Amino acid sequence: QVQLVESGGGVVQPGRSLRLSCAASGFTFSTYGMHWVRQAPGKGLEWVAVISYDGSDKYYADSVKGRVTISRDNSKNTLYLQMNSLRAEDTAVYYCAKDWPGRPEIDYWGQGTLVTVSS
Amino acid sequence: QSALTQPASVSGSPGQSITISCTGTSSDVGGYNYVSWYQQHPGKAPKLMIYDVSNRPSGVSNRFSGSKSGNTASLTISGLQAEDEADYYCSSYTSSITRVFGTGTKVTVL
Repeated sequence: QVQLVESGGGVVQPGRSLRLSCAASGFTFSTYGMHWVRQAPGKGLEWVAVISYDGSDKYYADSVKGRVTISRDNSKNTLYLQMNSLRAEDTAVYYCAKDWPGRPEIDYWGQGTLVTVSS
Repeated sequence: QSALTQPASVSGSPGQSITISCTGTSSDVGGYNYVSWYQQHPGKAPKLMIYDVSNRPSGVSNRFSGSKSGNTASLTISGLQAEDEADYYCSSYTSSITRVFGTGTKVTVL
């Protein structure tokens, strides 16, 4: 069965950096587009970024463009999100998610990792 | 990219039907048949309920159905049950090759 396990969250000071990881299993990771989606406490879902199956194409939400980088290592079945210049408004649960086969829609989600930006 | 517009809350009695709307633009909902719906219970990850506007993944109850007209998509839950009480989000592919979620709707079973 599909499993997506995020890690790397925690408390970080404003202006610092953090890298999130997502370990994937139960499917052929190298053939699916992957996403990061976040949810601030008590708020709705916000799409953050997507990367194509081979890492050649990457797209970002305007709210994070220039501050975050999505990447993947298909040899390790792992997705990453490098976040720089963190702000209080980046505080959220960050979910890793995979695309539905052959469609630009998310089908499976991880359980999320909490990032808290606070001094 | 602005969030898709959903009603903040919808409620119904057990056995009733409710419909949640999701309004976007011709650059997202109206332009593509890649609208999906997700159910999220408190403290849990979202779960896919509908994809491609109206298709149900295996294992999702046929009480859930989706449709679209112009720039507005809809999710209907028929035969409302206590377990349906949750937050629901729509999502769409966009012309910028990004994705956008709806503002979310809290469904309450009275």
